[in-house]
Amino acid sequence: DQQVKQNSPSLSVQEGRISILNCDYTNSMFDYFLWYKKYPAEGPTFLISISSIKDKNEDGRFTVFLNKSAKHLSLHIVPSQPGDSAVYFCAASRGSYKLTFGKGTLLTVNP
Amino acid sequence: GAVVSQHPSWVICKSGTSVKIECRSLDFQATTMFWYRQFPKQSLMLMATSNEGSKATYEQGVEKDKFLINHASLTLSTLTVTSAHPEDSSFYICSASPQAAGVRNEQFFGPGTRLTVL
Repeated sequence: DQQVKQNSPSLSVQEGRISILNCDYTNSMFDYFLWYKKYPAEGPTFLISISSIKDKNEDGRFTVFLNKSAKHLSLHIVPSQPGDSAVYFCAASRGSYKLTFGKGTLLTVNP
Repeated sequence: GAVVSQHPSWVICKSGTSVKIECRSLDFQATTMFWYRQFPKQSLMLMATSNEGSKATYEQGVEKDKFLINHASLTLSTLTVTSAHPEDSSFYICSASPQAAGVRNEQFFGPGTRLTVL
């Protein structure tokens, strides 16, 4: 039972445009959500997070939006850069440290 | 700061042998370390959580006698895959947290270890 779903295995965008990565979850008890970025042969690195009491969190080019009623969150990258090309994982937790990950979305930013 | 290393980065072993993977926090003390497994095109699956000086907590479906975890110091945790079989071939990733498990915190991930069992 996949509690965190990233339905798009891949996404390709042009440099300078917006990248929108989507994530859906089924467990309404999740109260904290995170996005990680992963390059090949490296571990995931933390990007940005959001608490369930908020609907938006912004950090530079990265913004995460949370729609609790739809159990949906998205990561916006503006403007996209070739160095953003990586696999992006959505993760969620419920009151503690344990993270449940999605399968990831491979983002390719074309110059 | 917050660097986590893993050794080895990849290992090939024969079926039936045991393999030890090390996870080190290089510039901070990790009260809690986590071990994940990732199969191709799948998500990272938490295997177990370990706190320094105590027994690891395993997730449902993970055999504790097969995946031995030792967290003997605040900077080192080891995962030993005992009597490895081809189905254990996977990408094993550790993460470390400077705070005690149970407190919301950021996890810092190692680069992972690719295990191939022939």
